[in-house]
Amino acid sequence: AQSVTQPDIHITVSEGASLELRCNYSYGATPYLFWYVQSPGQGLQLLLKYFSGDTLVQGIKGFEAEFKRSQSSFNLRKPSVHWSDAAEYFCAVGAVKAAGNKLTFGGGTRVLVKP
Amino acid sequence: DAGVIQSPRHEVTEMGQEVTLRCKPISGHNSLFWYRQTMMRGLELLIYFNNNVPIDDSGMPEDRFSAKMPNASFSTLKIQPSEPRDSAVYFCASKAAGGQETQYFGPGTRLLVL
Repeated sequence: AQSVTQPDIHITVSEGASLELRCNYSYGATPYLFWYVQSPGQGLQLLLKYFSGDTLVQGIKGFEAEFKRSQSSFNLRKPSVHWSDAAEYFCAVGAVKAAGNKLTFGGGTRVLVKP
Repeated sequence: DAGVIQSPRHEVTEMGQEVTLRCKPISGHNSLFWYRQTMMRGLELLIYFNNNVPIDDSGMPEDRFSAKMPNASFSTLKIQPSEPRDSAVYFCASKAAGGQETQYFGPGTRLLVL
């Protein structure tokens, strides 16, 4: 069975500082990996995804993530955080089957941005 | 495109009442997913459909929950009878055909069962 662990429940970062959110997954085959962001009271928006190829993936809003197979990790980074990045971030792993694409989500990391 | 549409956005009901949540997926998408989000359990998949057919309902909590997709543009999630522990945010998501396509989420329905 697939699973995702986000070790940090909360992270507080100063505006302009760098941000890294950790994600570790467990999956029996090559995973499909995703990062979503959820602003308060909103649905989830896709930041980026990895299926194959280059292990450094660029996403929207200046985010990037790196797939490291040896560490079963898919950490999300942003060089300089803006106040609008305060939100909850979810890592997910996908299982591709013939009739669908089932995602398993991590518990989320809530990011607070200090002025 | 309007995105995934969910209604109602908020629902407050009393224990024992029937609750129906509605979802309109993005036009042209052939997969639809229902998720539940709670503080205790996080975001969990309840059921998903492909081409209107339920594929995996292993996440449905119990018989009180049922989901239907009568056509490609509409799905319902019904709870009967509702209980306070069903209070959560329920998300619908849809996806186009193809394994590498993205799931797009609706804004969610916030359900409170008193």
